[in-house]
Amino acid sequence: DAGITQSPRHKVTETGTPVTLRCHQTENHRYMYWYRQDPGHGLRLIHYSYGVKDTDKGEVSDGYSVSRSKTEDFLLTLESATSSQTSVYFCAIKGVGGDEQYFGPGTRLTVT
Amino acid sequence: EDQVTQSPEALRLQEGESSSLNCSYTVSGLRGLFWYRQDPGKGPEFLFTLYSAGEEKEKERLKATLTKKESFLHITAPKPEDSATYLCAVHQGGSEKLVFGKGTKLTVNP
Repeated sequence: DAGITQSPRHKVTETGTPVTLRCHQTENHRYMYWYRQDPGHGLRLIHYSYGVKDTDKGEVSDGYSVSRSKTEDFLLTLESATSSQTSVYFCAIKGVGGDEQYFGPGTRLTVT
Repeated sequence: EDQVTQSPEALRLQEGESSSLNCSYTVSGLRGLFWYRQDPGKGPEFLFTLYSAGEEKEKERLKATLTKKESFLHITAPKPEDSATYLCAVHQGGSEKLVFGKGTKLTVNP
């Protein structure tokens, strides 16, 4: 258990509405990541953060924004949700002293 | 473009029947190769990191090996509780990105 929680765990929302997913960690890890997982695609990086207010894009960042105002929280925002953003979203942190990443339990998001 | 291909997509074994999962990759400047286990409805669970060709790591019934082009996850005498999807990912030097394969779904029947 890497001390990662995600909220909400499940959400159903309508097309065009804004959605914010939260990732919280309790161990002061510098690096945090947001991935999405879809059948047939595997896990894909959306955005990552390497410190407070320091973020960068991943391979599927269009339609998503992130913010990190505190070390422990990394927020993922869908400004205007679309059906193509229906997915399972995972947050991850980088381990101390290595490059492995540890994942949270995930958020299942359905956009109708 | 970095690619990670896992095979087979699905594998059914009888309890005690040993086998191997494959992860082939194309990446310049490999910084690390990672194996994860994922149970339905849960996040991936870290298993191993391999950094250089010839390296091996073991954990219970699992052993991961690495060559310059592929990695194998050997499962010895599997049990039903080893049933899960196994993911492989590679980390390219100079990047924070992990590139994941699509996984191998392993089912071990009692």
